[in-house]
Amino acid sequence: GEDVEQSLFLSVREGDSSVINCTYTDSSSTYLYWYKQEPGAGLQLLTYIFSNMDMKQDQRLTVLLNKKDKHLSLRIADTQTGDSAIYFCAERARNYGGSQGNLIFGKGTKLSVKP
Amino acid sequence: DAGVTQSPTHLIKTRGQQVTLRCSPKSGHDTVSWYQQALGQGPQFIFQYYEEEERQRGNFPDRFSGHQFPNYSSELNVNALLLGDSALYLCASSLAVNRDTDTQYFGPGTRLTVL
Repeated sequence: GEDVEQSLFLSVREGDSSVINCTYTDSSSTYLYWYKQEPGAGLQLLTYIFSNMDMKQDQRLTVLLNKKDKHLSLRIADTQTGDSAIYFCAERARNYGGSQGNLIFGKGTKLSVKP
Repeated sequence: DAGVTQSPTHLIKTRGQQVTLRCSPKSGHDTVSWYQQALGQGPQFIFQYYEEEERQRGNFPDRFSGHQFPNYSSELNVNALLLGDSALYLCASSLAVNRDTDTQYFGPGTRLTVL
């Protein structure tokens, strides 16, 4: 079956780098996503990576994909207190009859940034 | 450019009642997906609507139903509410022509509390 696993908590100091890890099970996943959720809010799409890529960088965010091990990570450089939130890894389920596959989410990693 | 909007923001119902939640997709999007996010969990896929039809469905009972209108907006209906239906209900929109990337943009959610 399809499943996404994440560690539940991460605590870092302001200015340090944060690395949030995720493992997924569906080797046919073509796209993998990182979303951010602040308290009481919806999900904000941070970035996504196509499965034929190993790395994608977008300003302070770096996504690394190890397809062999089905491991995805999100690195946040120079972490700020405003980065405190829950971060969700998601993979796209297989398409059904040509329609877009739904997203399968992990339980989220709560990032706490201490000043 | 209007993002995904949802109404109401909060709702309190009692067991056995029925509820309707509403979603307007991001401007230019034609596909709407609904997710349920229980406290401390990642979002779980309920169903997806495209061209006014339910295209995919997650593992939710028939008490959960939906509709998509010609203007692409959507409703989620839940009948015979149970305490366990208390959750944040998230709507996500995407564009079918971007089927491969399936970049879904989420609304702020509707917080449903069942007493």
